[in-house]
Parts: sequence; C-alpha cells; structure tokens
Amino acid sequence: DTGVSQDPRHKITKRGQNVTFRCDPISEHNRLYWYRQTLGQGPEFLTYFQNEAQLEKSRLLSDRFSAERPKGSFSTLEIQRTEQGDSAMYLCASGRDQPMDEQFFGPGTRLTVL
Amino acid sequence: DAKTTQPNSMESNEEEPVHLPCNHSTISGTDYIHWYRQLPSQGPEYVIHGLTSNVNNRMASLAIAEDRKSSTLILHRATLRDAAVYYCIRLSNTGKLIFGQGTTLQVKP
Repeated sequence: DTGVSQDPRHKITKRGQNVTFRCDPISEHNRLYWYRQTLGQGPEFLTYFQNEAQLEKSRLLSDRFSAERPKGSFSTLEIQRTEQGDSAMYLCASGRDQPMDEQFFGPGTRLTVL
Repeated sequence: DAKTTQPNSMESNEEEPVHLPCNHSTISGTDYIHWYRQLPSQGPEYVIHGLTSNVNNRMASLAIAEDRKSSTLILHRATLRDAAVYYCIRLSNTGKLIFGQGTTLQVKP
C-alpha cells in the first residue's frame, strides 16, 4: 500500500493555458474523488468515480473542467483555458467499496495561474 | 448540501484531553458523521466516523448525541503533532465529503 499519489505536485501556468493533473489511487480502491481547496477554506467536492464511471459532478465543475478514469485505475483532471480563479490545491482521494469507507487523500497538486 | 458548524479555533495544553464540538442539526437518519484532520501542507487524514453510537479507535473517540444533532471528537491526550485543522463532515450517500471550515486546534507545550 503505497498511498495515493498525485502528479505534478506543483504547476504554474499562464492564464488561458490547459493543464492536466494525474491521480494514482491505492490499488484496488474502486472509489476515486477529486476535491479543490483554496487558502483558508475546507476542500470542496468536484467529482466522483466508481471504477471507470463518473457518477457525480459538482456544479463547481464548469465546462472547462473534465475528469476521466479510463480503466478504473488512475484518473486525470484537465482544466482548459485556465483562469486566475482556478488557482487552488487539487486533491485526489480514493476509497474502497462503500460510501462510508474512509478516504485516503493524496498530497495534492498546487496550481498557480498567473 | 448542508454543512456542519464548528468553532473556528480551539487551544489545548499538551498531554490534556481535547473535546472538539460539532453541530449538524439538519442531519438525516442515514448520514454518517466523519472526522478528518489536515496538517499543514498535507492532504486531509481520516480520524474516525460513526452513525449513532459512540466510537473509539486508536486515534480518538467520537461521542454522538442521542438526537444526532451534534457530536464531539475527543483526543484523549493531545500532543504537539495533533495541531491541525479538524473537520466534522456530513457524509452524503455517494460518499462525497462535505467539508466546512473546520476547527484549528493549537496545542501548547
């Protein structure tokens, strides 16, 4: 059990550029979640996968955001045409089978949009 | 999605017990209460969860009120490493965590 990993850990980009983040969950964890956290606030839910199926998306997830989990293992989160308001920590978490199972969080990807 | 209510900050002395309160007056009968904590520059870390009855694990205890409108996380002997933001979370039926602003716990030596 190597834990949840995220790549990159930091990303600085210019406004208008596209960025993609990767999350590798704990192996055999069926559930995968993406959250976003801005300074001084608690994390906010973005989206959730059960295996490869994206089952829930937050209203926070505008059309510029897309997430995939193609084979039910790793997941990617892409932000197109980044805006300064997208600057945040993007956290990935994975969990076993049941909704009430604990979620294991990765270290996050810190995005700075200039 | 209704969030829980927690004090913004609390202080404790090292080696003393800490009681972190949480109000969740709109909780439904099937919503679990989860507690996570977040140390500086790290992702959140699971602490404990419960539904109706009190729960204990190696990290903490969770006391849930009989009407389930409030709960208290109990750290039995605070250490400096327990200084963190503690989140009391109402868990949705899909498992998404609905974070509030949490309680920042300071532990004084």
